[in-house]
Formats: sequence, C-alpha cells, structure tokens
Amino acid sequence: AQTVTQSQPEMSVQEAETVTLSCTYDTSESDYYLFWYKQPPSRQMILVIRQEAYKQQNATENRFSVNFQKAAKSFSLKISDSQLGDAAMYFCAYRSQGGTSYGKLTFGQGTILTVHP
Amino acid sequence: EAGVAQSPRYKIIEKRQSVAFWCNPISGHATLYWYQQILGQGPKLLIQFQNNGVVDDSQLPKDRFSAERLKGVDSTLKIQPAKLEDSAVYLCASSGFPGLFYEQYFGPGTRLTVT
Repeated sequence: AQTVTQSQPEMSVQEAETVTLSCTYDTSESDYYLFWYKQPPSRQMILVIRQEAYKQQNATENRFSVNFQKAAKSFSLKISDSQLGDAAMYFCAYRSQGGTSYGKLTFGQGTILTVHP
Repeated sequence: EAGVAQSPRYKIIEKRQSVAFWCNPISGHATLYWYQQILGQGPKLLIQFQNNGVVDDSQLPKDRFSAERLKGVDSTLKIQPAKLEDSAVYLCASSGFPGLFYEQYFGPGTRLTVT
C-alpha cells in the first residue's frame, strides 16, 4: 500500500516571501501521479498542481512549483510571492495508475500554512 | 459548469442513530468517490464507484456504512448505527474517468457530529 507523509504540521510565511512544503511518499509502483491540494477553511478542496511520475521536468503553475525527486520519493511544493489568500491546509496526494487502486487518491496528513501580512 | 453538490452541509446526531448523505457529481462524470476526513487528518477513501459499480470499498466499515449509486449518477452514503468516532467531514468527489488527466473535483463536504 502507498503512504504519503507530510512532516510539517504547520508552516508560516510573510506575505510576498517564499515557502516550501515537504512531502515524501512510499510506493513500489513506477507509474503514478502526485498532487498538491489546497483546502481553505471553507473546506472546498482545490487542486493546486500535479506531477506525472514519468516526467522529469518539474511542474509549475504560476506562483506554485514542485521539486519532484523520484528516486528519493520526495515531492515538495514551493509557493513564491505568498499572498494572504494562500493561507489554507495543503495536502500532498498520490494517485495510483494501475491495479485495483486505479484513480484512488492517498492523502498525507496536511500542512497548515499561515500567511502573515 | 456546476460543481459537485452535497447535502446536508451539517448534521448533528446522537450515537446509535442513522444518517444519510447525498452527493450529485458533475454532469457526465463516471467516477464518484466518498472520503472521510477526520479533523486534523487527510481525507481517507471510503468507496469508489465507476458508473453504478463499486471499484474499491476496501476501507468502508461495512458493518455500519453503506453506499449506493443508482443509475450511475447521484449517490448516497449511509451510517447505521453511528458511533462517536464517525464524527468527521464526508467529502464527495467526481472525475470524468480515472485516466491520465482527469482530476477529482471535490464537493463542499458534510460535517457530521455524533454526540
């Protein structure tokens, strides 16, 4: 079974600064997807960014980028130019691409991000 | 495009009572998921439907939880009887197909409190 670990229960950042959230995972599969989801206090889960395991290039979406280290099974999220609206719980998630777990998301425990003005 | 709808948004019940949650996925989405999110934790998949068939219910406590997706559209999740440890947010999500680029879209969730 796959596991996802987020070792930072809470992080804080000053507005306009950069912050990095960490995530590690464990799997024996070679084909999978990794995601970062944002969950604001209203609880609507929103996809921030995704990374295909077969791609070596790190994904980027505007101010959000990832550092994907497949051999180390590490998948960190960098938020540049942090904004007050970035404050939320962030979840790292793994999605299997094969077997009976096809499409299933396995989430980490989450990291609460606070943005200070 | 309308998002995933869930109702009710909040529910408070006493232990041993029954409760049901409803989810209407995004139109045309074949795959529907129910997740349980206990406070301070990440969501945990309870059951996954592909159209009206169950793909994965390995983490569904079948002695008290049941779910159905009649006609392959909306779905209901039922707990009978509820326990204190069932207090959580129940999230419904849908996707076009668990394929390469079909992301899961989440509903707002139902917060259940069991007293």
